[in-house]
Amino acid sequence: RKEVEQDPGPFNVPEGATVAFNCTYSNSASQSFFWYRQDCRKEPKLLMSVYSSGNEDGRFTAQLNRASQYISLLIRDSKLSDSATYLCVVNPRSGNTGKLIFGQGTTLQVKP
Amino acid sequence: GAVVSQHPSWVICKSGTSVKIECRSLDFQATTMFWYRQFPKQSLMLMATSNEGSKATYEQGVEKDKFLINHASLTLSTLTVTSAHPEDSSFYICSAHPPIGNIQYFGAGTRLSVL
Repeated sequence: RKEVEQDPGPFNVPEGATVAFNCTYSNSASQSFFWYRQDCRKEPKLLMSVYSSGNEDGRFTAQLNRASQYISLLIRDSKLSDSATYLCVVNPRSGNTGKLIFGQGTTLQVKP
Repeated sequence: GAVVSQHPSWVICKSGTSVKIECRSLDFQATTMFWYRQFPKQSLMLMATSNEGSKATYEQGVEKDKFLINHASLTLSTLTVTSAHPEDSSFYICSAHPPIGNIQYFGAGTRLSVL
């Protein structure tokens, strides 16, 4: 089983749609969780951290369910510029501070 | 602006040559930096953790004699791909995080193509 699993997609949605991505992680002791965005042939960029209480940043909402070891990202009112690959990232804190485990990524394509 | 600088952004080389990639933290000192590799349509895979003033820690399956890491200062880590072969062609990305906080910042990546 992969340490961080995501549905690779692609998700093809029209502009204005709401889309949700899910991610599961295997290490129950994981401490920090993030969503990164990666554009084609570019480096990952932090979209948002994910907190236990859930958090929102504009059109983006992230949720964490520790009991189910499940993370989600909701994008409302999709824009063409949201097209990218979204990476679920976990810091397991297993001795090596800062070591990140990346999911495969979920590809989103927003169509006009 | 970028807080982690990576150079070069793109390298084409002949099989058998060595390639050095630099990663610099611009606004902070980083005792630890990370080197990742990403093949097409795959996730980033951690190759090694670069530790300032000591040996790098390599992930399982990564050859330390092939991927030489040097972290000689608090703002610079280098990755040298020695005797590169076509199968080493990949996207190499470094990252670092400031002393406070758990956010990592990534360099822009280096696309290596070995002919």
